[in-house]
Amino acid sequence: AQTVTQSQPEMSVQEAETVTLSCTYDTSESDYYLFWYKQPPSRQMILVIRQEAYKQQNATENRFSVNFQKAAKSFSLKISDSQLGDAAMYFCAYRANKLIFGTGTLLAVQP
Amino acid sequence: SAVISQKPSRDICQRGTSLTIQCQVDSQVTMMFWYRQQPGQSLTLIATANQGSEATYESGFVIDKFPISRPNLTFSTLTVSNMSPEDSSIYLCSVDGGRGTEAFFGQGTRLTVV
Repeated sequence: AQTVTQSQPEMSVQEAETVTLSCTYDTSESDYYLFWYKQPPSRQMILVIRQEAYKQQNATENRFSVNFQKAAKSFSLKISDSQLGDAAMYFCAYRANKLIFGTGTLLAVQP
Repeated sequence: SAVISQKPSRDICQRGTSLTIQCQVDSQVTMMFWYRQQPGQSLTLIATANQGSEATYESGFVIDKFPISRPNLTFSTLTVSNMSPEDSSIYLCSVDGGRGTEAFFGQGTRLTVV
């Protein structure tokens, strides 16, 4: 069965600094997709970034980038120049046949 | 993209009663998904709502407890039946276009059972 693990329940970063959130997954599939979603207190799930497993190049979206290590089944999210609005719960997710979420990392941004 | 309206946004219910949550999408979609997010936890897929056929339930979830309707390609309902305090959670509706596409979510229904 596919599983997604986020080993950091909580993280904290100073405004303007960089933080990395960890995610590992387990699968026997070769064709799948990985996502990071953000859930602020409003509860609205927001897509942060997406990675296709068949692409070796790491995805980047403005201040957000990933370090995708397929052999290690690792998919970490780096947030650069952290802003107060980045404070939220971050979920790593895997999708082959269905979307499976990790347990989440609560990110606090200190002014 | 898809815009999802979910109602109600929150409710407090008595144990033993049932609550029906509605999910309306602004475009036609093949599959709609219902998730449960228990307090402080991650999202767990309850079922996939298919138009024209019965919903497909994940392990640990049964139709008698979580009946789902999908009358057309833009609307679905999830009923939480015979509620107990353990059903207190956020319930979210979601749609996507397939394996590699972005999933869109409603704002969720925060259910408290007393």
